[in-house]
Amino acid sequence: NAGVTQTPKFRILKIGQSMTLQCTQDMNHNYMYWYRQDPGMGLKLIYYSVGAGITDKGEVPNGYNVSRSTTEDFPLRLELAAPSQTSVYFCASSQSSRSNYGYTFGSGTRLTVV
Amino acid sequence: GQNIDQPTEMTATEGAIVQINCTYQTSGFNGLFWYQQHAGEAPTFLSYNVLDGLEEKGRFSSFLSRSKGYSYLLLKELQMKDSASYLCAVRPRDSNYQLIWGAGTKLIIKP
Repeated sequence: NAGVTQTPKFRILKIGQSMTLQCTQDMNHNYMYWYRQDPGMGLKLIYYSVGAGITDKGEVPNGYNVSRSTTEDFPLRLELAAPSQTSVYFCASSQSSRSNYGYTFGSGTRLTVV
Repeated sequence: GQNIDQPTEMTATEGAIVQINCTYQTSGFNGLFWYQQHAGEAPTFLSYNVLDGLEEKGRFSSFLSRSKGYSYLLLKELQMKDSASYLCAVRPRDSNYQLIWGAGTKLIIKP
């Protein structure tokens, strides 16, 4: 059982470039989330999804886009990368929004924009 | 605003006990989570409290006081592998998706 799989693990982008961070889960979870984690800061929610075809903005959505065409996949798109997007990105999923087990996280993508 | 406070860093000795505190101010309350995060890795779930009191799970215990907006994570018989960051997160009332996260407490275990 793979859980939540994120790719790539590391990436360096130049300012203005675009990329997609991939996230796939095999637990049939309806809820999926994208977070960014900056040094000394709590996790910040970028986007979330409550099921296939349904997405919504979190705390810090500017500069990002998502789609959810299937239950399994929840890719995060960065358009026109900026240095402020240098961060570690985590994808997570949960069985429901009220799950007592919280979230299952992917292993993260460390992104540097130069 | 919504805020969670944790100490930035703590140091403890192998075999000892350590208590990591978390205080929160959120728009209502509907559960508190503790996660462990080793350096360079993803957070992993440790515990969940929604009612006042102590929840014990092996060497780890978590306590909640809703009236005080306070929780702690107690780690007993510390092992070197417990060196990690410990994240406190609160689910506000009526939130379908949002968890408010603390910045985490980095725990350093010394021999």
